[in-house]
Amino acid sequence: GDSVTQMEGPVTLSEEAFLTINCTYTATGYPSLFWYVQYPGEGLQLLLKATKADDKGSNKGFEATYRKETTSFHLEKGSVQVSDSAVYFCALRGSTLGRLYFGRGTQLTVWP
Amino acid sequence: SQTIHQWPATLVQPVGSPLSLECTVEGTSNPNLYWYRQAAGRGLQLLFYSVGIGQISSEVPQNLSASRPQDRQFILSSKKLLLSDSGFYLCAWSVERDAEAFFGQGTRLTVV
Repeated sequence: GDSVTQMEGPVTLSEEAFLTINCTYTATGYPSLFWYVQYPGEGLQLLLKATKADDKGSNKGFEATYRKETTSFHLEKGSVQVSDSAVYFCALRGSTLGRLYFGRGTQLTVWP
Repeated sequence: SQTIHQWPATLVQPVGSPLSLECTVEGTSNPNLYWYRQAAGRGLQLLFYSVGIGQISSEVPQNLSASRPQDRQFILSSKKLLLSDSGFYLCAWSVERDAEAFFGQGTRLTVV
């Protein structure tokens, strides 16, 4: 079945460091891919998305490229801030059944 | 604009007691509705998925059930709670096949 495998954390970085959180997926057909962010005590917010191969989603300095050949959707940011501290989830929506599946989440902590 | 309401925000229930969590969506018709559980350190698990009134798909066998009595209302229930039912429960909705899901603020359930 469809699934998402996400780099396990926690990830701890200094402010202005480069961030990569790896995400790979397994799916039939052509899924849509998402990154969500969850701040402490809150629900999830969409960070970015890509709906077809080679699409690049971007928002708030974060980027991720839909790579069908490597079945990956890695999240990157060139210079993280303290306010980026949160849990990040990679997610997949299967093209046939429409269900939305999430990875286990990666806790990011950025120190000043 | 569309909004999602989920309540209560926090709940402490004794083992063996019943449960009813409610989620309603405003500003859209015929949404896809989801219930997720986020247990500590275990990521986001899809519990139930609904594409219409009375149409519920269960993703995992468990002590919980879901119902959709109205188009924009999704209810998560249990007849007798277990300690393992503790967690953070999130309701979400989406409309289009490739669109992202929008989340409620979640319910923190502690079974004691």
